[in-house]
Amino acid sequence: SQQGEEDPQALSIQEGENATMNCSYKTSINNLQWYRQNSGRGLVHLILIRSNEREKHSGRLRVTLDTSKKSSSLLITASRAADTASYFCATDSQAGTALIFGKGTTLSVSS
Amino acid sequence: GAGVSQTPSNKVTEKGKYVELRCDPISGHTALYWYRQSLGQGPEFLIYFQGTGAADDSGLPNDRFFAVRPEGSVSTLKIQRTERGDSAVYLCASSLGLANTGELFFGEGSRLTVL
Repeated sequence: SQQGEEDPQALSIQEGENATMNCSYKTSINNLQWYRQNSGRGLVHLILIRSNEREKHSGRLRVTLDTSKKSSSLLITASRAADTASYFCATDSQAGTALIFGKGTTLSVSS
Repeated sequence: GAGVSQTPSNKVTEKGKYVELRCDPISGHTALYWYRQSLGQGPEFLIYFQGTGAADDSGLPNDRFFAVRPEGSVSTLKIQRTERGDSAVYLCASSLGLANTGELFFGEGSRLTVL
């Protein structure tokens, strides 16, 4: 079963614009991670935010976490065509041993 | 190796056949995970190994699916009596510890097509 659900399912923007993706989850978590997947490739880890953190930055990425609403957002600033990919949030399972992924947001950045 | 290696990258088989998919994790990573990804979906958890033992196999869909990691390194996912619904990309990932404490490193996947 899937723990996280991303929103929107698809997002199309122009280069230079910001892209915001949201993730909602159902049960308590220890950490939440965001991954990126280029078409036909494996997933690449972007950022991990712990349950006691509210915001984290990495380069052009900004992640927020609201445990009271069971939601997280990923903001990509000044997007580039190379940011075109699918983005997934992932949370730990109830057993705490494996990451459970959402269905993802497909981002398309046009130049 | 430098990254997680999966073979074959593509496998086409007929319904009812037996298939093996191999994963070679990053050297030194004790944790290994198998996921399955269908088109347009996120990765679906199958099984997790810590060392040689399967610590969590709750994601295996049925008893046609089995995975081993006999020496705590390379893992093989085995699918018996394949069905068309098994067609998907099978992803392997490894990590230094539990997935919820750090990042997973994924391979490029093995695309399985069952005709």
